[in-house]
Amino acid sequence: GAGVSQTPSNKVTEKGKYVELRCDPISGHTALYWYRQSLGQGPEFLIYFQGTGAADDSGLPNDRFFAVRPEGSVSTLKIQRTERGDSAVYLCASSLIPSSYNEQFFGPGTRLTVL
Amino acid sequence: QQQVKQSPQSLIVQKGGISIINCAYENTAFDYFPWYQQFPGKGPALLIAIRPDVSEKKEGRFTISFNKSAKQFSLHIMDSQPGDSATYFCAARHYNQGGKLIFGQGTELSVKP
Repeated sequence: GAGVSQTPSNKVTEKGKYVELRCDPISGHTALYWYRQSLGQGPEFLIYFQGTGAADDSGLPNDRFFAVRPEGSVSTLKIQRTERGDSAVYLCASSLIPSSYNEQFFGPGTRLTVL
Repeated sequence: QQQVKQSPQSLIVQKGGISIINCAYENTAFDYFPWYQQFPGKGPALLIAIRPDVSEKKEGRFTISFNKSAKQFSLHIMDSQPGDSATYFCAARHYNQGGKLIFGQGTELSVKP
C-alpha cells in the first residue's frame, strides 16, 4: 500500500507569510506525528495526534504554529507570520497506535524555505 | 533529561568493515530505543529497535547492543557496504509520552568501496 505522503515537497515563501503543509498518513493509522528537521540535525518532535485530537503539542515552538486533523486522517501543519528560522524540513509520520512499540513510518518531508 | 547524545558525527569505513555508532541517554523513563536510517531527500526509516529488558538484538548485519546500567546503546553494522552510506539516528521513547520520539543528532556514515 501507499506510504505517508506530504505535500508540497518544497515550499518557498517570504518572511511574514502564512503556509500550510499537508500530511496523508497510511490508511488505518490512528497516530500521526509532526517533526521538524533542521540541516544536520535529528528530527525534533512538534505534535502528535491520536485520532482527531492533539494528544501532545509540547513541541510546538510558539503560537505561530498550529496543526489540525479534523477527520482523523489527513493533517495540516499551519505556520503564521513565517520567520527565516522556520526554514527546515517538516516531517510527518504515522503509526498504528501511539502508546506501544509500533513503528513510525515517515513521509519524505516538506522542505520549507523562508526568504 | 530528554536528550539523546549520539557520536560520532561522521564516520568513514571501508567496505567489509564494521561501523559502530554510539548513543547515550539520561532519562531512565525511556523504554524503547529505535535506530533510523535516512538517505538524502527521504524520510527516516526504521532499521532496528530494542527494549531495555534485553542487552542485544540482531537483525541480519545490524546489531544493537544495550547497556542499561551505563544508559548507553550502540548500533553495529557488520560487513558494511557502500549502499549503507546514509545518516543514522538513534532515538528514545518515554514510556508515558505516547509515541513521541527523541532523536540523537545523527551520524553520517560513508562506506568506501
